[in-house]
Amino acid sequence: AQSVTQPDIHITVSEGASLELRCNYSYGATPYLFWYVQSPGQGLQLLLKYFSGDTLVQGIKGFEAEFKRSQSSFNLRKPSVHWSDAAEYFCASDSGTYKYIFGTGTRLKVLA
Amino acid sequence: NAGVTQTPKFRVLKTGQSMTLLCAQDMNHEYMYWYRQDPGMGLRLIHYSVGEGTTAKGEVPDGYNVSRLKKQNFLLGLESAAPSQTSVYFCASSRAGTGEKLFFGSGTQLSVL
Repeated sequence: AQSVTQPDIHITVSEGASLELRCNYSYGATPYLFWYVQSPGQGLQLLLKYFSGDTLVQGIKGFEAEFKRSQSSFNLRKPSVHWSDAAEYFCASDSGTYKYIFGTGTRLKVLA
Repeated sequence: NAGVTQTPKFRVLKTGQSMTLLCAQDMNHEYMYWYRQDPGMGLRLIHYSVGEGTTAKGEVPDGYNVSRLKKQNFLLGLESAAPSQTSVYFCASSRAGTGEKLFFGSGTQLSVL
């Protein structure tokens, strides 16, 4: 069965530091892969998505993600974190069944 | 642009009571979804719809019913609320089913006492 794993429940980084959030997917073929961000009290907003082509995907707010087929990973990165990036981040996949599967989320805390 | 609108935003129910959550989208999207969000469990799909008049079960459908009588609306019903249904409920819509961006509402916080 299709699944998405985010191994880190909480991550704390200092403002200005680099960030990497991990995501692993389980599916035979390459699914559509997404990263969403959720600010407190809000719905989810799409940061970026990947299906095929260039394995490095650029998104909004300075985020990028790299697809690595050999590791079944789709990690989210940002070179320099801003205090406003504090939020919860969800990785999601869609294997073509239009039933999007979400990971359990990673909550990011940014220290001033 | 309203996007996806959920009503109500907050609700407190007693065990056994019923209620309906309304989701409305103004983007002419075919696909609509209901998710519940619980701490440490991410978002889990309750029911979804691929078009007006159609509905299908997701990952956690028990205790919920849905209807999509109009393309722009997707209703989620709880016939007899249970404390286990205390959660934050999100509606989402998309232009098509596969690989498309989901547009989310701002959520409904439901507490069942």
